[in-house]
Amino acid sequence: QMTQSPSSLSASVGDRVSISCRASQTIGNYLSWYQQKPGKAPKLLISSASSLQSGVPSRFSGSGSGTDFTLTISSLQPEDFATYYCHQTYSTPFGFGQGTQLEIK
Amino acid sequence: QVQLVQSGAEVRKPGSSVKVSCKASGGSFTNYAFTWVRQAPGHGLEWVGRIIPIFGIVNYAEKLQGRVMITADKSTSTAYMDMSSLTFEDTAMYYCGRESEPGGNSPIGYWGQGTLVTVSS
Repeated sequence: QMTQSPSSLSASVGDRVSISCRASQTIGNYLSWYQQKPGKAPKLLISSASSLQSGVPSRFSGSGSGTDFTLTISSLQPEDFATYYCHQTYSTPFGFGQGTQLEIK
Repeated sequence: QVQLVQSGAEVRKPGSSVKVSCKASGGSFTNYAFTWVRQAPGHGLEWVGRIIPIFGIVNYAEKLQGRVMITADKSTSTAYMDMSSLTFEDTAMYYCGRESEPGGNSPIGYWGQGTLVTVSS
């Protein structure tokens, strides 16, 4: 069971934002983050809790291990407004967080 | 590069079944887990299940166990998701995905374009 917070977030371009994800039991670092834009498939941003995928801007970062994880965007850009999901792949069933919708203030 | 191409949109009546395909190209098929994820309109991502072809391992979401079957045809590099006893709540976009690294515990690095399944009377 993955619990993500907040469910929605309003912020401005240039802001620093953080999204939290908590697992109901320890999952090591088997935690990834996805970005999804309307009408599109999700895009993998971060794997193994903190490994930035190739091509993903360095303003995205991930941290945490065990049960508590955080996705941080250091300086929001217009293209970052989307929905973000955490996902555990430690043990099946591989659950997703409920999602965080990041909106422009 | 890895590409996943899914079959087209489907409309089904309640109580019927649907089978969605996902053809992979551009990489190894058998060594990677293929996962199915669904997204109901206006809702979040829901993990449906996955298959690791080389080991024949299949896992399903508990709420869908008994109604969903995931298979893989190694000869055509195609994964399938078969869902039976459909209800209106099964209306969703169904995505297939392949893990980014082999082993069974990697995230989904590659996604298909999605297949819309609509259950309507």
